[in-house]
Amino acid sequence: DIQMTQSPSTLSASVGDRVTITCRASQSISSWLAWYQQKPGKAPKLLIYKASSLESGVPSRFSGSGSGTEFTLTISSLQPDDFATYYCQQYNSSEGTFGQGTKVEIK
Amino acid sequence: EVQLVESGGGLVQPGRSLRLSCTASGFTFGDYAMSWVRQAPGKGLEWVGFIRSKAYGGTTEYAASVKGRFTISRDDSKSIAYLQMNSLKTEDTAVYYCTREQRVVPAVSDYWGQGTLVTVSS
Repeated sequence: DIQMTQSPSTLSASVGDRVTITCRASQSISSWLAWYQQKPGKAPKLLIYKASSLESGVPSRFSGSGSGTEFTLTISSLQPDDFATYYCQQYNSSEGTFGQGTKVEIK
Repeated sequence: EVQLVESGGGLVQPGRSLRLSCTASGFTFGDYAMSWVRQAPGKGLEWVGFIRSKAYGGTTEYAASVKGRFTISRDDSKSIAYLQMNSLKTEDTAVYYCTREQRVVPAVSDYWGQGTLVTVSS
């Protein structure tokens, strides 16, 4: 089984900050990685797929990078609407494993 | 507009069964793989399984935690995906989300339902 590890688990930041979240896979997943945003009481929303492809309608301040086992999600300038929990998911194998999540809080 | 609406959740005793439904609209249901993801209260997301479209054999894959107990099926004529859950355990308590996979292989979930809560308790 492929394990996904996100860091940090919690991140405190201010509006306008550049924020980076890391996701590591226990084995190579090529570029088959997605990022989701989830707000309390809501379903997750797809932000990035194939490591760096921006889903339609997602603001360009979100970007993804990486390949193999190490990946990052970057928010270039944090906005009030971005305070949420972020999850990575690998889809290289037939099981779509998620990371444990990173909560982005207001500093 | 793509819409996914889950139904069938509720309170069930350990060891019993429950079937969830996901009614889809706004797209050609039969062309897409569909998956289920769950989230225990206050916890992260857990992939449950998915069913491929008929074009890819309509076959299924499951997480190890539910394999042998849960079954995903689909009725393309009704645009409904199902999650049959047998031998339920207290640790199956979660919000269950139905998702549509992108129309590529491999794919991730590009649309999600609002979720339905399943509580397994005596």
